[in-house]
Order: sequence, then C-alpha cells, then structure tokens
Amino acid sequence: AQTVTQSQPEMSVQEAETVTLSCTYDTSESDYYLFWYKQPPSRQMILVIRQEAYKQQNATENRFSVNFQKAAKSFSLKISDSQLGDAAMYFCAYNRVHGGSQGNLIFGKGTKLSVKP
Amino acid sequence: DTEVTQTPKHLVMGMTNKKSLKCEQHMGHRAMYWYKQKAKKPPELMFVYSYEKLSINESVPSRFSPECPNSSLLNLHLHALQPEDSALYLCASSQAPTGVRGEKLFFGSGTQLSVL
Repeated sequence: AQTVTQSQPEMSVQEAETVTLSCTYDTSESDYYLFWYKQPPSRQMILVIRQEAYKQQNATENRFSVNFQKAAKSFSLKISDSQLGDAAMYFCAYNRVHGGSQGNLIFGKGTKLSVKP
Repeated sequence: DTEVTQTPKHLVMGMTNKKSLKCEQHMGHRAMYWYKQKAKKPPELMFVYSYEKLSINESVPSRFSPECPNSSLLNLHLHALQPEDSALYLCASSQAPTGVRGEKLFFGSGTQLSVL
C-alpha cells in the first residue's frame, strides 16, 4: 500500500524568505502523480503544484517549486519570497495512475506553515 | 465561475435529526466528490460521482446518503448521525471523469458539522 509521510508537523518562515517542506512516499508503482495542496484558515483545499512521476523536470508555479527525487521517493516543496498569505496547512498527496480514481488521493498528515512579518 | 459552493457553512444537529449538505459547481465538471476531514487530519474520500452516477463508495455508513440530481449539484443527506461524525465535510469537483488521473481538484470551503 502506498504511504505519504510529512515529517515536519510545523514550520515557520520569515516574510520574503525561502522555506522547504519535506515529503516522502512509498510505492511500488512506477507511474503516479504527486501534489501539494494548501489549506488556509478558510478551509478550502487549493492545489499548489503537481508532478507527474514520469517527467524528470521539476514542476514550478511562480514562487512554488518542487524537488522531485524519484529514486529516493522524495517530493519537497520550496516556497520562495514567502508571503503572509502563504500561511496554511500544506498537504502532500499521492495519486495512483491505475485503479481507484483521481479523487482517491493519499494524503500526508500535513505541515502547518506560519509566516512571520 | 471557478468556484465550488457549499452550504451551509456550519451545521449543528442532534442524533435524531435529518439534514442535508449541498454542493454546487458551474464549471461543467463531470466528477464530484465528498470528503470528510476530522480536526488536524487530512481529508478522507467518502464518495465519488462520475457523470452523475455513483462510482466509488469508500465503505461509508448508510447514515450518509449521497445524491447527484444533475451535473452541477451534489447533496449529502444525513440521518441518525453519531457524535464521532462531527467533522468538516468538503466537496470537490474535477473536469474529467474519474478515469483520468492527475486532474486538478477544485474544493469548496466545506461544511463544519457538529453532532450533539
């Protein structure tokens, strides 16, 4: 069975600085998707970034980028130029390609990010 | 319109009550989802509808009854709930039906349910 582990329950970053959130996963599959979702106090889950396992190039979305290490089964999120609005719970998630559904995401337990002004 | 709208935002109900949660999206998405999120935990999938038909039920107790009257609307009917069912209930949608992987899920802001 697939598992997703986020080893940092809480992180803190100074505004305008850079922070990296860690995520590791375990799977025997070769093809899959990985995601980072954020959940601010508004409670709405918002997709931050996604990575397809067969793509070696790391995904980037403006200030957000990932370091995808397939062999190490690591998928960290880097937030550059942190802003107050980045404060949220961040969930790493895994989605199988075959079987189940795209809604059947396996989530990590989350990392709560605080941004200090 | 890129929103998923959930009503009500908060709901308090007794164990003998019958209530419903509502979710709407007008993005033309063909798949809709219900998730349950306990405090300080990640969301857990409950149900998936694809083309208005129930495609996945994650062994959810029958006191939760989903309904998809049309492609834009998803309901969750609640009856005889237990206090342990208190949680945030999130609705989500995706453009492609559930057979396509890696699709972005659009989430609503949830209904915070308290069962007394």
